[in-house]
Amino acid sequence: GDSVTQMEGPVTLSEEAFLTINCTYTATGYPSLFWYVQYPGEGLQLLLKATKADDKGSNKGFEATYRKETTSFHLEKGSVQVSDSAVYFCALSDLLSSGSARQLTFGSGTQLTVLP
Amino acid sequence: NAGVMQNPRHLVRRRGQEARLRCSPVKGHSHVYWYRQLPEEGLKFMVYLQKENIIDESGMPKERFSAEFPKEGPSILRIQQVVRGDSAAYFCASSLYTGELFFGEGSRLTVL
Repeated sequence: GDSVTQMEGPVTLSEEAFLTINCTYTATGYPSLFWYVQYPGEGLQLLLKATKADDKGSNKGFEATYRKETTSFHLEKGSVQVSDSAVYFCALSDLLSSGSARQLTFGSGTQLTVLP
Repeated sequence: NAGVMQNPRHLVRRRGQEARLRCSPVKGHSHVYWYRQLPEEGLKFMVYLQKENIIDESGMPKERFSAEFPKEGPSILRIQQVVRGDSAAYFCASSLYTGELFFGEGSRLTVL
């Protein structure tokens, strides 16, 4: 079945450092790809998405490019802030076995801590 | 806050007891998904429901687990005769149709 592999954490960076969180996937077909973020004590929030090869998703200074040739969707940010401390999940959208709808397959999450 | 509301946030049960987790979707959303997150793992799909119907339960364990989404009231995930391996975070998500999913904060079940 489809799967998502994420860079293991935790990741600790100083403020203004460059961030990369690696994500690779295996899938049949052409899934949409997502990054979700979970701040402490909150639910998962959609951070960005890309629906086809070479698309770049971006939001709040974060970017990720859908690379079909390397089956990757790495998350990057040029200058992290303390407020970016959270758990980041990479996910892909695939069809349920019933074909009734799409559902999300998640990676295991990467804890990011940004120090002042 | 009109987001997805889950309760309880934390639930402790002894082996053999029942756990009931509730999820109120975003107002107007008629599609509900339940996911489970075991320690050190990603979220895993369990079940997809629309009002009064289970659409896909391919991720649900065959025994002891059930879910419903009645015409009125929240969606309920019910775990009977809990075992230690059921300890996990259970997340609910809702969507308007089959678009973007909005997640709740999760319910953390601990089985003693």
